[in-house]
Amino acid sequence: SQTIHQWPATLVQPVGSPLSLECTVEGTSNPNLYWYRQAAGRGLQLLFYSVGIGQISSEVPQNLSASRPQDRQFILSSKKLLLSDSGFYLCAWSVRGDTQYFGPGTRLTVL
Amino acid sequence: DQQVKQNSPSLSVQEGRISILNCDYTNSMFDYFLWYKKYPAEGPTFLISISSIKDKNEDGRFTVFLNKSAKHLSLHIVPSQPGDSAVYFCATTLRSGGYNKLIFGAGTRLAVHP
Repeated sequence: SQTIHQWPATLVQPVGSPLSLECTVEGTSNPNLYWYRQAAGRGLQLLFYSVGIGQISSEVPQNLSASRPQDRQFILSSKKLLLSDSGFYLCAWSVRGDTQYFGPGTRLTVL
Repeated sequence: DQQVKQNSPSLSVQEGRISILNCDYTNSMFDYFLWYKKYPAEGPTFLISISSIKDKNEDGRFTVFLNKSAKHLSLHIVPSQPGDSAVYFCATTLRSGGYNKLIFGAGTRLAVHP
């Protein structure tokens, strides 16, 4: 069966510091991968998606970037965090179908 | 402009009764709809989905109804249990650039009390 991992689970970072969140998927090949953010009291906003290694598309302009160095690895990064980057970050995967399956999430607090 | 709307931010239901969560959408081209359940500090869990060729899909205590003419869908949970207390997100898919983009509503927080 497929599983999806995210780490770290929680992170507290100062403004201006770099960020690296990692997501890995097991049990499937060539998945579509997604990064979402849930800000406090709001729905899920798609940030990036990837249909293959090295293929990244951004949904909204922002202070973040994503990379996919391996088939089942998706990384969310920032060179300098802003206060507005605080939120709950979710990685998700899908294969061919419409249903996306989410990881456990990372709670990021920027102080 | 919200393409998927969940107009009730919260809902409180007594254990054993029916919970009805509602969702409206704006684009008649949407053809696949999903419900996710989310506990605090966890990722959303897929619950149930429905294709636009159907008007009802049932899975155990969960039933989703789709009214295409009204651009409305609802999730029924019966009987409701305290463990159902969570935030429920309605979502639809939009095919864009060779992949399926999920568009989420803002969520409805369900509280099931004894």
